[in-house]
Amino acid sequence: AQSVTQLDSQVPVFEEAPVELRCNYSSSVSVYLFWYVQYPNQGLQLLLKYLSGSTLVKGINGFEAEFNKSQTSFHLRKPSVHISDTAEYFCAVRQTGANNLFFGTGTRLTVIP
Amino acid sequence: EAGVTQFPSHSVIEKGQTVTLRCDPISGHDNLYWYRRVMGKEIKFLLHFVKESKQDESGMPNNRFLAERTGGTYSTLKVQPAELEDSGVYFCASSQLRSTDTQYFGPGTRLTVL
Repeated sequence: AQSVTQLDSQVPVFEEAPVELRCNYSSSVSVYLFWYVQYPNQGLQLLLKYLSGSTLVKGINGFEAEFNKSQTSFHLRKPSVHISDTAEYFCAVRQTGANNLFFGTGTRLTVIP
Repeated sequence: EAGVTQFPSHSVIEKGQTVTLRCDPISGHDNLYWYRRVMGKEIKFLLHFVKESKQDESGMPNNRFLAERTGGTYSTLKVQPAELEDSGVYFCASSQLRSTDTQYFGPGTRLTVL
């Protein structure tokens, strides 16, 4: 079985500051890794995904994440946040060959002007 | 291209009543998924259709929940009778056939059972 831990439920950060949202996972088999974002009153939108290859993955809106197999982590980073990045961010895993996603509890990012 | 749509966006019902949620996937997507988020908790998988067939319904909480996807297009999720613990946001997602394909999510239906 898989599980995903997002330790930080809320992260406040000032505009133009860097941010890192942490994600750790547990799985006995190979997984694919995802970050989704939910803006207010909208559905989940894929930010980026890791399937294979380079461990540094670049996504939309200037976000990137690094897959660290030894630490079973997939932390999301952005060097300089904007007000418009205020949203809830979800880390998710999917077992290779399977279809359903396992999500973390989400991290609410608030960008302060 | 239209995204995944869900109806209604909100539903408030009393315990014991019946509610039906609808999901229209992206056209041409054979995979359709239902997920649920209970307040403050993680988004949890409920079930997965491939076309009109239920591929995996291991996440369905109990037999008060019934999902259908007649004709392999839109899907409905019926809760009958609703209980207080059924409150939450129900998300639908769709994807093309390969397991590596991105799942595209709808905006969700917020269900409140009083």
